[in-house]
Amino acid sequence: DTGVSQDPRHKITKRGQNVTFRCDPISEHNRLYWYRQTLGQGPEFLTYFQNEAQLEKSRLLSDRFSAERPKGSFSTLEIQRTEQGDSAMYLCASRPGGAYEQYFGPGTRLTVT
Amino acid sequence: AQTVTQSQPEMSVQEAETVTLSCTYDTSESDYYLFWYKQPPSRQMILVIRQEAYKQQNATENRFSVNFQKAAKSFSLKISDSQLGDAAMYFCALYSGGGADGLTFGKGTHLIIQP
Repeated sequence: DTGVSQDPRHKITKRGQNVTFRCDPISEHNRLYWYRQTLGQGPEFLTYFQNEAQLEKSRLLSDRFSAERPKGSFSTLEIQRTEQGDSAMYLCASRPGGAYEQYFGPGTRLTVT
Repeated sequence: AQTVTQSQPEMSVQEAETVTLSCTYDTSESDYYLFWYKQPPSRQMILVIRQEAYKQQNATENRFSVNFQKAAKSFSLKISDSQLGDAAMYFCALYSGGGADGLTFGKGTHLIIQP
């Protein structure tokens, strides 16, 4: 049973560049979540998919952020025109329907220089 | 809006001793779930224990147990026989649905295990 995987694990980019992260959830999990975690803080919810439908977006998800889950399997999170304030760990999690605990991936650490 | 508060930024305990991490929460929902997650340094978040609000019995998983006080909206984690591998950030998290499907996390407690 493979867990949630994320790619890349680390990304360094210059301000103004676009970046894209990928998340592969546990295969039988139909719900997928993105969170952002800054240093010394708990994860903050960004957005959530049930199958391919994006059902909820946080106020934290500015219009520079977009997420997709085209076939209800893997998901991508894109940040356009990155800013230094986007530097954070981006976590992906998944869960099956009928259970409420979420299983997290290792995260993608983004550094914007 | 729901909130989770962890008032202990850091706790320290001697190996083999018992430590309790505190968490309080607030939600207007009557049906919700509470979790403790462990995040070791540079490693991924791991679920430690879960508690359904409708269950009066406190959850237990091996050396980990909770003290769930629903009226007080308190959800503390007790770690017995602390081991070096327990050193990590511990996050309390709340799921209450009601149109908000994401987890709400506290700021975390850094647990140090003294050998």
